[in-house]
Amino acid sequence: EAQVTQNPRYLITVTGKKLTVTCSQNMNHEYMSWYRQDPGLGLRQIYYSMNVEVTDKGDVPEGYKVSRKEKRNFPLILESPSPNQTSLYFCASSFSGRVAGELFFGEGSRLTVL
Amino acid sequence: AQSVTQLDSQVPVFEEAPVELRCNYSSSVSVYLFWYVQYPNQGLQLLLKYLSGSTLVKGINGFEAEFNKSQTSFHLRKPSVHISDTAEYFCAVIQPTGGFKTIFGAGTRLFVKA
Repeated sequence: EAQVTQNPRYLITVTGKKLTVTCSQNMNHEYMSWYRQDPGLGLRQIYYSMNVEVTDKGDVPEGYKVSRKEKRNFPLILESPSPNQTSLYFCASSFSGRVAGELFFGEGSRLTVL
Repeated sequence: AQSVTQLDSQVPVFEEAPVELRCNYSSSVSVYLFWYVQYPNQGLQLLLKYLSGSTLVKGINGFEAEFNKSQTSFHLRKPSVHISDTAEYFCAVIQPTGGFKTIFGAGTRLFVKA
């Protein structure tokens, strides 16, 4: 089954404790991206990756890191989480190229930073 | 810069009534347009998309949308809604020549009442 898998789905942590949210896709997509969803703000892009070893900042990259060492994986790293990073996070992927566009989303990771 | 405005944050409607969710975008160049749906506790999934061609686009679950270039709108419609259509709906834009960055609207929460 084609899917984007995120882990963990739910996490409560404390300020300053490093954490990683994993994302894996099995569709051989070149493009992967992280979003955060906050009430009234829709989805805002954190980082994206056009392919292996190619990453770039989105609209709200502060406080986050990413890496793309393999095509299927795109982990999101919070080196020192703060309460303003409490949010619902989504990983998404798609093909690149002329028929690009449709994003396939994971089920989301709800993060609470105390 | 591109932007997407969803004109209604919440739309309550009775079952079997028609509904229209409004979306306007701003862009100086051609764009691709999408509607995504997010059911409770799930990720987003594609409802429909407009890339080119016919301005009336049909999607899943009986939804359709019409691209209006002169009014820069892409409103979503359904002639008769069901309780199961209760969800949040996101309009999104991609500028094909500007990489693969998807800009999302803030979302419209559709409540279908019995």
